[in-house]
This record gives sequence, structure tokens and C-alpha cells, in this order.
Amino acid sequence: DVKVTQSSRYLVKRTGEKVFLECVQDMDHENMFWYRQDPGLGLRLIYFSYDVKMKEKGDIPEGYSVSREKKERFSLILESASTNQTSMYLCASSPGAGGNTIYFGEGSWLTVV
Amino acid sequence: RKEVEQDPGPFNVPEGATVAFNCTYSNSASQSFFWYRQDCRKEPKLLMSVYSSGNEDGRFTAQLNRASQYISLLIRDSKLSDSATYLCVVNYYSGGYQKVTFGTGTKLQVIP
Repeated sequence: DVKVTQSSRYLVKRTGEKVFLECVQDMDHENMFWYRQDPGLGLRLIYFSYDVKMKEKGDIPEGYSVSREKKERFSLILESASTNQTSMYLCASSPGAGGNTIYFGEGSWLTVV
Repeated sequence: RKEVEQDPGPFNVPEGATVAFNCTYSNSASQSFFWYRQDCRKEPKLLMSVYSSGNEDGRFTAQLNRASQYISLLIRDSKLSDSATYLCVVNYYSGGYQKVTFGTGTKLQVIP
């Protein structure tokens, strides 16, 4: 089975703090994604990456950055956390060429106070 | 117009009922389609892919209508455990990248 692991499940951070959310997948997938999910708004794409060291902006990249130094790891960085970034963050991966099913991690619940 | 639209519900149905959800998409170049299930405060999980000829998995049937640009999910003999939010997912490729669009989900509540 595909495993997408988000190491931080529940975080509480202060406004202005730098926040790192880590995601690791174990199936050699090419594509990785970061979403946030808020009530009534559904899943919104923040950033995605289709290869190591490559990244593309999604629909709501403002206030976020990402890093993909290794194929299996995709990190989301909140440079200066704000209260409107309180949300559930979901990492996902897909195989890329030859397959496009999306597999999700369990989610990271971030509260910014 | 949203790229993928779903009726948010909630759909409240009794156990044993048949319920159907539709999802419309706007991009005619969309290539692959899926239904995901999401339980409260959990991650979405793949329920089934949707094939052009329609496909069935136990009590679940998925269909695709490319001409009208919608996909559907039919659940027969609803169980309490089917209560969840169902997300439709539409994929297309643009500039060599996989573009994934999620609907906002349809909430199903199966009542005893």
C-alpha cells in the first residue's frame, strides 16, 4: 500500500512563527501536492511538485513556500504564520506518468494563535 | 463557474435506500475521474475510479457522461457506515503537469 506520512499531526503556533510541515511518501511517486482544507471551501491547492527541486504554484501560494530536495519528501513552509492559516493541511502524492491516482497523508491540523 | 461542481447536500437517507450524486466539470479536456470518500476530520481516500463504460464495485456504481460533462455515483442499499462526504475528482494534463481538481464534496448521512 502507498504510504504518505505527515509527521506533525497537531500543531499550535504563534503568529509570526515559522512553521515546517513535513511529508514523506514511500512509493517513488513523481508528483507531490500540498492542499489546505477549510469548511465550505473544499480542498485548495497550495503548491505542487512534479520532480525533485521542481515546484509550481497552486491556487493559493501566498504566505507559503515549499521544498523538495529529495524525491520522497515535500515540505511546506509557512514563513510567518498568521491566524488565517489555521487549517487542516493535506499532503498527497501521485505516480506521475503511468498513473494519476492521488494518495493522501492523514493531515496536519495547524492552529495559529 | 467552478471547474468541478457538486451539490453539497446533506443528503439524509434511510438505511437501505439508494442514493445518487452527480458532479459536473467544465474542462472538456479532462481525462480521468475519481470518487473519493472523506470521513469527518480524516483524509480523503479513493473510493473508485470512473471509467467511460461505467463501473461497479459492490454496492457502488460510477458513470461518466463526457458529452454532458458529468460523473455520477450511485450507492445501493445504503449502510450507516456509508455516512461520509463524497468528493469527485477530475484530472487533466496541462503543460506536462497533472492538474487535479476536487469538488467541494457532497455530504451523505444514512439514518437508522
